[in-house]
Amino acid sequence: DVKVTQSSRYLVKRTGEKVFLECVQDMDHENMFWYRQDPGLGLRLIYFSYDVKMKEKGDIPEGYSVSREKKERFSLILESASTNQTSMYLCASSLWTGETQYFGPGTRLLVL
Amino acid sequence: DAKTTQPPSMDCAEGRAANLPCNHSTISGNEYVYWYRQIHSQGPQYIIHGLKNNETNEMASLIITEDRKSSTLILPHATLRDTAVYYCIVRVGDAGGTSYGKLTFGQGTILTVHP
Repeated sequence: DVKVTQSSRYLVKRTGEKVFLECVQDMDHENMFWYRQDPGLGLRLIYFSYDVKMKEKGDIPEGYSVSREKKERFSLILESASTNQTSMYLCASSLWTGETQYFGPGTRLLVL
Repeated sequence: DAKTTQPPSMDCAEGRAANLPCNHSTISGNEYVYWYRQIHSQGPQYIIHGLKNNETNEMASLIITEDRKSSTLILPHATLRDTAVYYCIVRVGDAGGTSYGKLTFGQGTILTVHP
């Protein structure tokens, strides 16, 4: 079974803090994704990585950066957290582009 | 990716089959039908996908009409743990270019399984 894990299930941070969300997959997948999910807005793609050290912006990259130093790990960084970044953050991975994506359990982030 | 239409909610008795419909009348020939579900406050869980043939796995069956304009996800013996939001998604199998293979979830169907 594909296993995608995220570093935290719940996180509370203060405005202006730097926040790191980590995602690890154990299936040697090439592609990894970061989405955020908000009520009424569905799933929105923040960043995507198709290889180590390679990244592409998704639909809403502003205020976020990512890092992929190893194939199995994809980190999402909020450089200076703001209240409008309060959301559910979901990491996913897939073997190749267009293949089935498998999701982690999600991190619910609250920025005060 | 083609748009999908699902009923907002459905009920099912425990132990009975749950049949969740999805319309995707603008589906293209190279687009797959995917189903995910999301239990409250958890990440989406992949269920099944298909192109034109019916598919079955340990979780569910997927029935796709011959014209591919609609499909039905069948949970053969629903349990209380199947209560979730079910999402039907249509996407190309080889999604390169600017879409990067991203998933677009609609509103889904809230399935409630009751005792």
